[in-house]
Amino acid sequence: AQSVTQLGSHVSVSEGALVLLRCNYSSSVPPYLFWYVQYPNQGLQLLLKYTTGATLVKGINGFEAEFKKSETSFHLTKPSAHMSDAAEYFCAVRKNEKLTFGTGTRLTIIP
Amino acid sequence: KAGVTQTPRYLIKTRGQQVTLSCSPISGHRSVSWYQQTPGQGLQFLFEYFSETQRNKGNFPGRFSGRQFSNSRSEMNVSTLELGDSALYLCASSLAMRQGWGNEQFFGPGTRLTVL
Repeated sequence: AQSVTQLGSHVSVSEGALVLLRCNYSSSVPPYLFWYVQYPNQGLQLLLKYTTGATLVKGINGFEAEFKKSETSFHLTKPSAHMSDAAEYFCAVRKNEKLTFGTGTRLTIIP
Repeated sequence: KAGVTQTPRYLIKTRGQQVTLSCSPISGHRSVSWYQQTPGQGLQFLFEYFSETQRNKGNFPGRFSGRQFSNSRSEMNVSTLELGDSALYLCASSLAMRQGWGNEQFFGPGTRLTVL
């Protein structure tokens, strides 16, 4: 079965600092991997996705993620945190039309 | 292009009642998926419909059901509500002409169901 593990349910970073949110996947086949963001009282918004091809994926709002098969990881990064980045972030793996989500990481930005 | 819309946004029901939630996908999208989000269980897949047929199903009891209409709009129904059914129910749509593609799913704002 495909699954993802997000390390750290809460992450706090200072404004302007590097954001690193960790995600490891378990999959017997090359996965389709996604990062979603959820702001309070809203649905999920796609940040970026990996399907095939380039392993460094750039998304919206300055986020990017690198697919590392050898480490089974798909960590999300942003060079400089902004106050508006405060939200909950979900890593997900997809098989057919079913998304399996990690438990989420709540990102807090310290002014 | 309009996004995924869900109605109602908020709903309060009592135990034992039933509820119907509605989802209108992005124009041209034929796949609609439903997810339940709770603090304890996180985001869990309920089911997916494509061309009026249930194509994928999660591990939920039979009280949870759904359907899709010819215009791709979808409804989900929960019968005999339990306190544990209180959750945010999210709908997502995608093109998904063929399963296995990495088509992205676009999510609606969700329906917040509270069961008293």
